[in-house]
Amino acid sequence: DADVTQTPRNRITKTGKRIMLECSQTKGHDRMYWYRQDPGLGLRLIYYSFDVKDINKGEISDGYSVSRQAQAKFSLSLESAIPNQTALYFCATRSAGRDTDTQYFGPGTRLTVL
Amino acid sequence: AQSVSQHNHHVILSEAASLELGCNYSYGGTVNLFWYVQYPGQHLQLLLKYFSGDPLVKGIKGFEAEFIKSKFSFNLRKPSVQWSDTAEYFCAVTGYSSASKIIFGSGTRLSIRP
Repeated sequence: DADVTQTPRNRITKTGKRIMLECSQTKGHDRMYWYRQDPGLGLRLIYYSFDVKDINKGEISDGYSVSRQAQAKFSLSLESAIPNQTALYFCATRSAGRDTDTQYFGPGTRLTVL
Repeated sequence: AQSVSQHNHHVILSEAASLELGCNYSYGGTVNLFWYVQYPGQHLQLLLKYFSGDPLVKGIKGFEAEFIKSKFSFNLRKPSVQWSDTAEYFCAVTGYSSASKIIFGSGTRLSIRP
């Protein structure tokens, strides 16, 4: 089984709709991240969480919100989707050790907002 | 400002050619450096990482990277590429602590002609 899973894998929605993307992990990591990937822009950080009670905005948090329901679950919501939120969204975890610092990515959710 | 620059946006090579992808970073203090690879339709996977010690690090699939502190660079190399190396490659930097922000470059798309 995959260590980091995302649902749905693909979603097409309309402008103004509320969308939730879900992420679950079995790595046991406290740190979780949401990124979006756009062609030519690489990965940009939306939100990150160091534990259930610690949630932080990334560089492009406007228009998004998150919920850390448990150590293993970190959801991303688009309250009112707009077309420029069309992108590939990745969830990731991060190991905490100084010498093992690595991110583990989910398979991605391709979101299209019409 | 913290940043990672990948100067080559798209590189096209023939099989058996040698590869070098550039990565330069701007990040204060001690850094950890990473190269991630994203094969078509897949999520990002760790290719290799540098934390300390020997500045020449070896990763999976015959890739290696050299950390040159004076040049703030962490270039990725492979002596002889294969068609299966077709992918997008991301350089990333973070600080000493695993609570530090991770900054990704914009990615380099590598296309290998069979």
